[in-house]
Amino acid sequence: DVKVTQSSRYLVKRTGEKVFLECVQDMDHENMFWYRQDPGLGLRLIYFSYDVKMKEKGDIPEGYSVSREKKERFSLILESASTNQTSMYLCASSLNYNEQFFGPGTRLTVL
Amino acid sequence: RKEVEQDPGPFNVPEGATVAFNCTYSNSASQSFFWYRQDCRKEPKLLMSVYSSGNEDGRFTAQLNRASQYISLLIRDSKLSDSATYLCVAYYGGSQGNLIFGKGTKLSVKP
Repeated sequence: DVKVTQSSRYLVKRTGEKVFLECVQDMDHENMFWYRQDPGLGLRLIYFSYDVKMKEKGDIPEGYSVSREKKERFSLILESASTNQTSMYLCASSLNYNEQFFGPGTRLTVL
Repeated sequence: RKEVEQDPGPFNVPEGATVAFNCTYSNSASQSFFWYRQDCRKEPKLLMSVYSSGNEDGRFTAQLNRASQYISLLIRDSKLSDSATYLCVAYYGGSQGNLIFGKGTKLSVKP
């Protein structure tokens, strides 16, 4: 079974803090993704990576950066957290477009 | 423009009912389509792919109509355990970032 894990299920941070969200997959997938999910807005792609050290912007990259130093790990960084970044963050990995495997999500609250 | 639109929902149906969800996509270049299921407070998981000829998996039937640019999901003999949000997904080809999720339709099956 594919397993995608995320470092925290719940996180509370203060405005201006630097926030790291970690994602690890164990199936040797090339592709990894970071989404945020908000009520009424659905899943929105922040960034994705198709190989180590490679990244591409998704639909809403502003205020975020990513890092992929190892194939199994994809990190999302909020350089200076703001209240409008309070959301559910979902990481996913895939071999191809046929199926994405999601992690359990991190619910981030920025106060 | 790449968009996937779904029935707003929520759908509240009794056990045993047949329920259908529709989803429209904006770009005729879309290549592949999927339905994902997301349980409350859980991550999305692939339910089924949608093939041009339509496909069936037990009580679930997915249909694709390329001429009208819509996809449907039919659930027969609804169970309480079918209660979830159903996400329609379209892949527009090329980059892995071209996998577009709809906002989802919530189904609640009542006893």
